[in-house]
Amino acid sequence: DAKTTQPPSMDCAEGRAANLPCNHSTISGNEYVYWYRQIHSQGPQYIIHGLKNNETNEMASLIITEDRKSSTLILPHATLRDTAVYYCIVRSYGQNFVFGPGTRLSVLP
Amino acid sequence: DTGVSQDPRHKITKRGQNVTFRCDPISEHNRLYWYRQTLGQGPEFLTYFQNEAQLEKSRLLSDRFSAERPKGSFSTLEIQRTEQGDSAMYLCASSLVGDQETQYFGPGTRLLVL
Repeated sequence: DAKTTQPPSMDCAEGRAANLPCNHSTISGNEYVYWYRQIHSQGPQYIIHGLKNNETNEMASLIITEDRKSSTLILPHATLRDTAVYYCIVRSYGQNFVFGPGTRLSVLP
Repeated sequence: DTGVSQDPRHKITKRGQNVTFRCDPISEHNRLYWYRQTLGQGPEFLTYFQNEAQLEKSRLLSDRFSAERPKGSFSTLEIQRTEQGDSAMYLCASSLVGDQETQYFGPGTRLLVL
């Protein structure tokens, strides 16, 4: 079973920040938080990952709480092309990825 | 494009037929994974290879399924005697050991068994 809990769906206005929450209250010290997204009928796309520090790349920012029990993926200026299912996964080195149902983000014009 | 590629992208077959899918990973990646995804669900792990060795198989991988990676490069996934329940998207991913194993996915092969 997936070790994360995400809301099933969210809406966001185009041009605004999309903040996608993820709960991983049972995360262990050596487990990373990964985010992927899947646009309709395509393979999952890697977005970002982190261990305990906040991370930023050209796609998104990842904010991990100090106790590491939850995190937030931030898309700073959402566009219609960001409409997708977003998956939050926790795993340690050598473990397989276990995907949950994810959050379906709809970016609205 | 140097990403993961899969062939074919779509396959329609009749129940009882055999099908084979191919995955070409990112060239320097030594790990290759197969997943299955049904409608409305996240991808489910099937099996993975490190180089040519198949190191893990999920209980989802019935004896009708077989995967190979003979030279440690491309991989094939064969389903024998297909059933309607095999209809799904089959995804391949690859990673490089030591790079925190970020997996990069291909576009998938969508299988429909009639």
